[in-house]
Amino acid sequence: GAGVSQTPSNKVTEKGKYVELRCDPISGHTALYWYRQSLGQGPEFLIYFQGTGAADDSGLPNDRFFAVRPEGSVSTLKIQRTERGDSAMYLCASSSYRETSGANVLTFGAGSRLTVL
Amino acid sequence: AQKITQTQPGMFVQEKEAVTLDCTYDTSDQSYGLFWYKQPSSGEMIFLIYQGSYDEQNATEGRYSLNFQKARKSANLVISASQLGDSAMYFCAMREAPSGTYKYIFGTGTRLKVLA
Repeated sequence: GAGVSQTPSNKVTEKGKYVELRCDPISGHTALYWYRQSLGQGPEFLIYFQGTGAADDSGLPNDRFFAVRPEGSVSTLKIQRTERGDSAMYLCASSSYRETSGANVLTFGAGSRLTVL
Repeated sequence: AQKITQTQPGMFVQEKEAVTLDCTYDTSDQSYGLFWYKQPSSGEMIFLIYQGSYDEQNATEGRYSLNFQKARKSANLVISASQLGDSAMYFCAMREAPSGTYKYIFGTGTRLKVLA
């Protein structure tokens, strides 16, 4: 697609429920990132995929968080047994080389806002 | 460990004036990249400008320029001729070059308000 697409844009759930957040990156982008952004804070790194494999998952806060990218395109962030502290904006980005800048640049989606009641 | 520090939680600037947003970083790598992103109230992060650690000249992109002082580990963003539409959150970020990870680390941001 033309941009990074994230669904749902808003998700309200109850404490203890399971949640899936989906990211559809720009076509052809092999690197995909997930970030979490709490109100008034900067994006916090969660996980990074290169193709189908997680190249770095050091930012996942605990084992309730898991992400997959089975075909190297769409990725799903899965959160089990949600807690109120999981409430945040979850941002997805894909990376590609931008010739005008001479660097790999992240292009972000609009985010999925998760609210855990 | 990487660290990005933005010490200005909020800044005001008069329309048409220039403003500098501060960013300092900490890394033990010799090769790294520095980025600035803008996040308007709509929420979507927009790439503004990039500076590579080996670049000798400061990066410029339209009204944006990056004041890169490697010895001081600072990468300040300068916005010239501020416009009302520049009001937004601004984030400094760093990415280490290939040493096993392409993780991008962001600072806590600076909220810029442009006054008419």
